[in-house]
Amino acid sequence: GAGVSQSPRYKVAKRGQDVALRCDPISGHVSLFWYQQALGQGPEFLTYFQNEAQLDKSGLPSDRFFAERPEGSVSTLKIQRTQQEDSAVYLCASSPQVDSSYEQYFGPGTRLTVT
Amino acid sequence: GNSVTQMEGPVTLSEEAFLTINCTYTATGYPSLFWYVQYPGEGLQLLLKATKADDKGSNKGFEATYRKETTSFHLEKGSVQVSDSAVYFCALRPQSQNFVFGPGTRLSVLP
Repeated sequence: GAGVSQSPRYKVAKRGQDVALRCDPISGHVSLFWYQQALGQGPEFLTYFQNEAQLDKSGLPSDRFFAERPEGSVSTLKIQRTQQEDSAVYLCASSPQVDSSYEQYFGPGTRLTVT
Repeated sequence: GNSVTQMEGPVTLSEEAFLTINCTYTATGYPSLFWYVQYPGEGLQLLLKATKADDKGSNKGFEATYRKETTSFHLEKGSVQVSDSAVYFCALRPQSQNFVFGPGTRLSVLP
């Protein structure tokens, strides 16, 4: 079946612009995660949804970052007034259950470059 | 807090050499442990996992054993191939919490 998809795959934004990144998780997956991966680093947790509820947003770096999953499927990560330090790959992952033993399935990521 | 430490890379080996990538963790409770791999130009994919102490995860010739007494989950392979060249990430997931990833270890296997 289809895996996790993300769009766009690449985004170039001028500093100060707003961007919206989309994630389509695997159908039926309860949990959805957003990560930020800087060059040469591991993914850093941003936020977590269980169905439509955002249960943890402790990793969002500032109030310029906002995520939603209104119907418990597709999710959007929005970054307002982008800064150069926001340049990174943004990864979305989904998992079929809440239980910690379940793996997460990653999308290909969106590479954001802020100029 | 929860954290994962991996050995510094890059690791460069000749084909058929033995591979060990060290991973140690700090966590509350009893997390599940994972190794993810990222091949060049591709997304992260699960390599193997272990969900409780003394479990051994294995896949594609790779193995890792969940050692609670040493808080470790070292990745091993007896004979690496050129196609194993990738970045390897150790990760943990405490009960009902978000995943925590290590910084990754780049492996290059030379023919």
